Amino acid sequence: EPEVTQTPSHQVTQMGQEVILRCVPISNHLYFYWYRQILGQKVEFLVSFYNNEISEKSEIFDDQFSVERPDGSNFTLKIRSTKLEDSAMYFCASSADLAGGETQYFGPGTRLLVL
Amino acid sequence: QQQVKQSPQSLIVQKGGISIINCAYENTAFDYFPWYQQFPGKGPALLIAIRPDVSEKKEGRFTISFNKSAKQFSLHIMDSQPGDSATYFCAASNPNTGFQKLVFGTGTRLLVSP
Repeated sequence: EPEVTQTPSHQVTQMGQEVILRCVPISNHLYFYWYRQILGQKVEFLVSFYNNEISEKSEIFDDQFSVERPDGSNFTLKIRSTKLEDSAMYFCASSADLAGGETQYFGPGTRLLVL
Repeated sequence: QQQVKQSPQSLIVQKGGISIINCAYENTAFDYFPWYQQFPGKGPALLIAIRPDVSEKKEGRFTISFNKSAKQFSLHIMDSQPGDSATYFCAASNPNTGFQKLVFGTGTRLLVSP
């Protein structure tokens, strides 16, 4: 069964450093998302991406964050200058379309720890 | 308006019992209501979903009940098993505006005792 994959599974970084989280969505999917989950809390929407541009972003997704689809398979989330409060589990998700395929498939996540 | 409220925060059920988790929403534009199951260290996985044009949807041991007038929906797990022990999130979205941005509830940690 096709699945969303994410790398790395864990990332430890120093405050102020840049991190790039990588995702490979399901191959025929067109809509891509990033969510985050601070430990013990709910999953929060960060950004959605379609047709090589951001379609919607939350208040959390400030200028420190960016997303990119550098090739036909990868989808990345970059945090330019990490803060302690960026420590969380980051999930990538993808969906096939809007009309009949609302199901978002989530990857296993990248646990980011900012020290 | 964008919130989805979920209760209880945690739930302990005996094996074979019925687990019930409730959610409520305010935004009447929400048009799609999925439930996700999450095991420790894993991403959320879609369990079952409903649209407001039906009041109930059943898939195996899992049933969603939907009350449009009350703006509430619930997940019922019949014959609960220890393997059902996980965190359950309700969610909502408006496919007409938000490119399927999912608004999640706060989660319910279910423990099914043997």
